[in-house]
Amino acid sequence: QQQVKQSPQSLIVQKGGISIINCAYENTAFDYFPWYQQFPGKGPALLIAIRPDVSEKKEGRFTISFNKSAKQFSLHIMDSQPGDSATYFCAASDQHFTGNQFYFGTGTSLTVIP
Amino acid sequence: AAGVIQSPRHLIKEKRETATLKCYPIPRHDTVYWYQQGPGQDPQFLISFYEKMQSDKGSIPDRFSAQQFSDYHSELNMSSLELGDSALYFCASSAYTYEQYFGPGTRLTVT
Repeated sequence: QQQVKQSPQSLIVQKGGISIINCAYENTAFDYFPWYQQFPGKGPALLIAIRPDVSEKKEGRFTISFNKSAKQFSLHIMDSQPGDSATYFCAASDQHFTGNQFYFGTGTSLTVIP
Repeated sequence: AAGVIQSPRHLIKEKRETATLKCYPIPRHDTVYWYQQGPGQDPQFLISFYEKMQSDKGSIPDRFSAQQFSDYHSELNMSSLELGDSALYFCASSAYTYEQYFGPGTRLTVT
């Protein structure tokens, strides 16, 4: 059972455009929502993360929007660049106990066309 | 900045053999996590350790075991390997924050 649902599965965006990836969850105990970027054959790299006490967090070209009532969160990549082409995973975790696992979405393969 | 170190980076084993994967967390990180990632799939949590004690357990087969040592490094021991165990195995570490930092992974191929 997938605890975090992610869409779309793949995304093609023109250079300079906005990439938007969406995730949804059901477990209201989740209180930490990171996004990871992964290149082929490499480990996932932490991009940006949010806690449910804020509705938006921005770091450079990356923004997380969080809707607690809808149990949804999304990643926006502004001014998308070819170097952003990678697989993006959202995740969620209940951090009330140290060492609790991350539940990952199924991933979105992003291709940015020059 | 120092990152998570995993060894070996690549490993080829035959069915029914045993494999040991090692993970060295970022200095001063006290929590280690193991994930398995199949081709085109999301990382699946196996097990985690905090201060050398098992913290959380996911879909880790009974054929696998893991531990965290006094220097905080961790080892994942895999026995009676099956073809389906072929995957990328990632270790991640964290400190007092929630952030998990992933290593480069070990690619295990079982033939």
